[in-house]
Amino acid sequence: DSGVTQTPKHLITATGQRVTLRCSPRSGDLSVYWYQQSLDQGLQFLIQYYNGEERAKGNILERFSAQQFPDLHSELNLSSLELGDSALYFCASSSNTGLAGGQQFFGPGTRLTVL
Amino acid sequence: QQPVQSPQAVILREGEDAVINCSSSKALYSVHWYRQKHGEAPVFLMILLKGGEQKGHDKISASFNEKKQQSSLYLTASQLSYSGTYFCGTLGEAAGNKLTFGGGTRVLVKP
Repeated sequence: DSGVTQTPKHLITATGQRVTLRCSPRSGDLSVYWYQQSLDQGLQFLIQYYNGEERAKGNILERFSAQQFPDLHSELNLSSLELGDSALYFCASSSNTGLAGGQQFFGPGTRLTVL
Repeated sequence: QQPVQSPQAVILREGEDAVINCSSSKALYSVHWYRQKHGEAPVFLMILLKGGEQKGHDKISASFNEKKQQSSLYLTASQLSYSGTYFCGTLGEAAGNKLTFGGGTRVLVKP
């Protein structure tokens, strides 16, 4: 158990819909990262927040957005969903100073299926 | 730009050795190694900073050649528990804060 929690574990929805994925980092970790992993694919970095502020952005679609709240939990919002958005979405946290150079602890992931 | 991992897959017998390579076309600040078992989250193995240091995690070690922008992960005397997909993540000197992962190397260790 990494100490990072993600909800929900599974999510099935239809094209065009909007969903919110939630992540609670390990106690004390200020950095939260979001990754997308499509079937049998690698990990695609989406976005990083550090203590409530956006720190780095990857190839995140405009239909996707994220935020980190004062209690440090983070939400990833996916809207106008398409079939290709079906994937495993991981959240990770780290205790470093905000740089990506530290060890990241991954949550169990949310499996999103868009029908 | 995504680092390139090779080989894409490897099958080993218990006790055999293997090497996984990770190459980048950009100057790197650090290389990160993670292992992901099927249906599970990636788990951190080690980080190597530029300077060519070698690190170890049990019988898994890695090196980083900053001149070649390449890292190698060594699986020594492999155990069944080593099975999984190994990902390298690279942090470029000029890449801001983006850890970019390679496509992964699937490792299957058989009895």
